[in-house]
Amino acid sequence: AQSVTQPDIHITVSEGASLELRCNYSYGATPYLFWYVQSPGQGLQLLLKYFSGDTLVQGIKGFEAEFKRSQSSFNLRKPSVHWSDAAEYFCASYNNNDMRFGAGTRLTVKP
Amino acid sequence: DAGITQSPRYKITETGRQVTLMCHQTWSHSYMFWYRQDLGHGLRLIYYSAAADITDKGEVPDGYVVSRSKTENFPLTLESATRSQTSVYFCASSDSTGLAGANEQYFGPGTRLTVT
Repeated sequence: AQSVTQPDIHITVSEGASLELRCNYSYGATPYLFWYVQSPGQGLQLLLKYFSGDTLVQGIKGFEAEFKRSQSSFNLRKPSVHWSDAAEYFCASYNNNDMRFGAGTRLTVKP
Repeated sequence: DAGITQSPRYKITETGRQVTLMCHQTWSHSYMFWYRQDLGHGLRLIYYSAAADITDKGEVPDGYVVSRSKTENFPLTLESATRSQTSVYFCASSDSTGLAGANEQYFGPGTRLTVT
């Protein structure tokens, strides 16, 4: 079965600093990949998704992610973090009606 | 435009009781999903539905029952609640255009269920 791993449970960055959240997937073929964000007490909101084509995908709120088949990774990046980016981030993979989420990475932003 | 709503938002129940969590969406999306969110596990799919009267198991279906008599509603029933079912439950929906089921999922606000 497919699985998604987010190695970092919690990351703290300073406001204005760059950000990279790691995601690795386990699946033989290329799955469909997603990054979602969850603010406290809220549901999840889609940041971006990768289905095929260009391996660098742009999302909302200034986020981007790069698909690397050789590393089975789909890391999320942002060049300059804002205090409002503090939230929980989930990577997910989809195949054949089966959506699997990683355990999440909680982002704290220091002033 | 209400989007996707869940009720109740908070529920406390006792072990062994039956409890139903409601999910309603106004977009006429074909696909609907139920997830549970637990610390350290992220979200895990319980059941999903590709259309009215079509449902299928996800990763963790045991102890849960779903139905989908109408496109807009997708209730989740815990037939005999257990403490291990204490969790936050999220409903989601997506349309079926393009890559069926792989489109963006829109999430409800969640239901926090405590089983004592």
